[in-house]
Amino acid sequence: TQLLEQSPQFLSIQEGENLTVYCNSSSVFSSLQWYRQEPGEGPVLLVTVVTGGEVKKLKRLTFQFGDARKDSSLHITAAQPGDTGLYLCAGARPSNTGKLIFGQGTTLQVKP
Amino acid sequence: EAGVVQSPRYKIIEKKQPVAFWCNPISGHNTLYWYLQNLGQGPELLIRYENEEAVDDSQLPKDRFSAERLKGVDSTLKIQPAELGDSAVYLCASSLGQTDYEQYFGPGTRLTVT
Repeated sequence: TQLLEQSPQFLSIQEGENLTVYCNSSSVFSSLQWYRQEPGEGPVLLVTVVTGGEVKKLKRLTFQFGDARKDSSLHITAAQPGDTGLYLCAGARPSNTGKLIFGQGTTLQVKP
Repeated sequence: EAGVVQSPRYKIIEKKQPVAFWCNPISGHNTLYWYLQNLGQGPELLIRYENEEAVDDSQLPKDRFSAERLKGVDSTLKIQPAELGDSAVYLCASSLGQTDYEQYFGPGTRLTVT
């Protein structure tokens, strides 16, 4: 059973398009993180959201934590080839200190 | 500041052979994690250390996998004997403490078992 469901699993778009990746769960998380991973490298932390309804922006990336802290989204505006990679959401359960639950990832390809 | 260091980056072995991976976390990070990652999938936790103590090893296949972090700094993950299904990327990550969920990952070791 996948505790965190990401959608879509694969996304191939043209440079300049917008996209949204979703991370959904039936469980509540005390915090949620988004990572990006490039081929041959480890995941790199992009952002941490901790408050229900919180919105954070990182240049062209907008992250939102759901009001009930069960879901999150990542929106990229005007995607560029450098955005290509595997996007992972990871949640911390209130009852399990120190453990992150990772989603299965969204592979994004941005074509020039 | 140096990041998480892992070696080797790549390893190819025949099935039934032993293999070991090494990780040096970021200086001052007390918590160390070993993950397994299959291609295009999210990392799956194998074991988590707080200093030298393994506090969560429930997902570690203990019949063939072992890990140690003797001095609470660097760590070694071993597989003996390796099976074809062990082919994956093994990631090491560290964080300041168990209440700090911001984890910093190394580049991983890509293992191929033939």
